[in-house]
Amino acid sequence: KQEVTQIPAALSVPEGENLVLNCSFTDSAIYNLQWFRQDPGKGLTSLLLIQSSQREQTSGRLNASLDKSSGRSTLYIAASQPGDSATYLCAVGPDTDKLIFGTGTRLQVFP
Amino acid sequence: GAVVSQHPSRVICKSGTSVKIECRSLDFQATTMFWYRQFPKQSLMLMATSNEGSKATYEQGVEKDKFLINHASLTLSTLTVTSAHPEDSSFYICSATPSGRTDTQYFGPGTRLTVL
Repeated sequence: KQEVTQIPAALSVPEGENLVLNCSFTDSAIYNLQWFRQDPGKGLTSLLLIQSSQREQTSGRLNASLDKSSGRSTLYIAASQPGDSATYLCAVGPDTDKLIFGTGTRLQVFP
Repeated sequence: GAVVSQHPSRVICKSGTSVKIECRSLDFQATTMFWYRQFPKQSLMLMATSNEGSKATYEQGVEKDKFLINHASLTLSTLTVTSAHPEDSSFYICSATPSGRTDTQYFGPGTRLTVL
C-alpha cells in the first residue's frame, strides 16, 4: 500500500528565506507526482506536476524535483513571502487518475 | 481556467439527518469526479471515484450505503451523507477530471460539514 509522508509537518520562517519541503513515498511505481497548496478552509491549488519520466519542474519561485528510485520529491521555494503561508501537500498518482496525498507541511512565513 | 464549485460551502445539521453536497464543473465536462474527506490537520483521503452514468467506485472502508454518490451529468456529481453522525463531521472536497484527460484534477473549494 502506497504511503506518502511529508517532512517537516510545520515550518515557520522569516520572509526572504529559501525553503525545502520534503515528500517521500513507499512505492516507486508511480505515474506522476503533484504539489498542491491549500489555504485554510479552502480547496487545493495545483502548483507543479511532475510526470514519472521527468526529474523536475519549475514555476516562478517554485522548483520541484523527483527521484523515483529513492521515493523522494522536494519542493524548493525561493525568496519566501508572507503570501506563501499555506499548507503544502504532495500527492502521488499510482495510475492515471487516482491521487494519494501526503500528510502536508504547514508553512508560515512572517514579515 | 477550469473551475469546480461546491455547494454548500458550509452546512450544520442534526444527527440522523441526510445532507447533500453538490460538485459542479463550471466550464468543462467531467466524465470522472472524485470525492475526498479531510479531517482537521490531516491529509485528504479519497472516498470514491464517480463516473458519469455508472456506479461510483468506493475506496476500502468507505460505506457505500452511507455515502451515496450520483453522477447524473457530465458537470454534476452529488454526495449524500445519509443519517449523519458527529463522526461524519469533516471537510469534503471534490475534484473533476476533464473528459479526455486523465492526469489533471481540478479541485473544488470544499464543504465543511458539522453534525451536531
